[in-house]
Amino acid sequence: GIQVEQSPPDLILQEGANSTLRCNFSDSVNNLQWFHQNPWGQLINLFYIPSGTKQNGRLSATTVATERYSLLYISSSQTTDSGVYFCAVQTQGGSEKLVFGKGTKLTVNP
Amino acid sequence: KAGVTQTPRYLIKTRGQQVTLSCSPISGHRSVSWYQQTPGQGLQFLFEYFSETQRNKGNFPGRFSGRQFSNSRSEMNVSTLELGDSALYLCASGSGRQETQYFGPGTRLLVL
Repeated sequence: GIQVEQSPPDLILQEGANSTLRCNFSDSVNNLQWFHQNPWGQLINLFYIPSGTKQNGRLSATTVATERYSLLYISSSQTTDSGVYFCAVQTQGGSEKLVFGKGTKLTVNP
Repeated sequence: KAGVTQTPRYLIKTRGQQVTLSCSPISGHRSVSWYQQTPGQGLQFLFEYFSETQRNKGNFPGRFSGRQFSNSRSEMNVSTLELGDSALYLCASGSGRQETQYFGPGTRLLVL
């Protein structure tokens, strides 16, 4: 099956710093989503981005489907950005199954 | 518009017991998928239901089962619980057309 690799596995920043999280996938995908898992475990949608670039406030994402990677940019990070960021892909037509990467754990210090 | 709800939020069981978890999707969504999250294995797909039919299934033993009702609410059942079943169980709600999926808050299951 498809492999989804996220890097770096851990990232520690000072408040105000910028960061880039990467997601590589081993095969073509139908769709890609980025999530932020909060301390209580809920997965919060950040982007639905099978291709192209999207921006939402301090966050933006770019997916280059032909090269099989996606990037999540966080600018001017805040302590509330801390948590685990997951990339997940859909590959099978007619199914909503998501294959997740192992995540990037982000810690933003004040 | 109400979000995805899961009940119960926390559960403690002993080995050998069985458990039933519930998920109510976003109104109008017909697809519900279930995932298990553990520190060692990460997020793993359990199964997906669409319009009361199981559309896809992950690599889990037959002790894990599920169903979906006509109102799109879904339940998953784990029988003969093992210690390794301790995990966060998450359900996702979708339109069924491979669009954005939305997750519920999860059920934390502890098996003693």
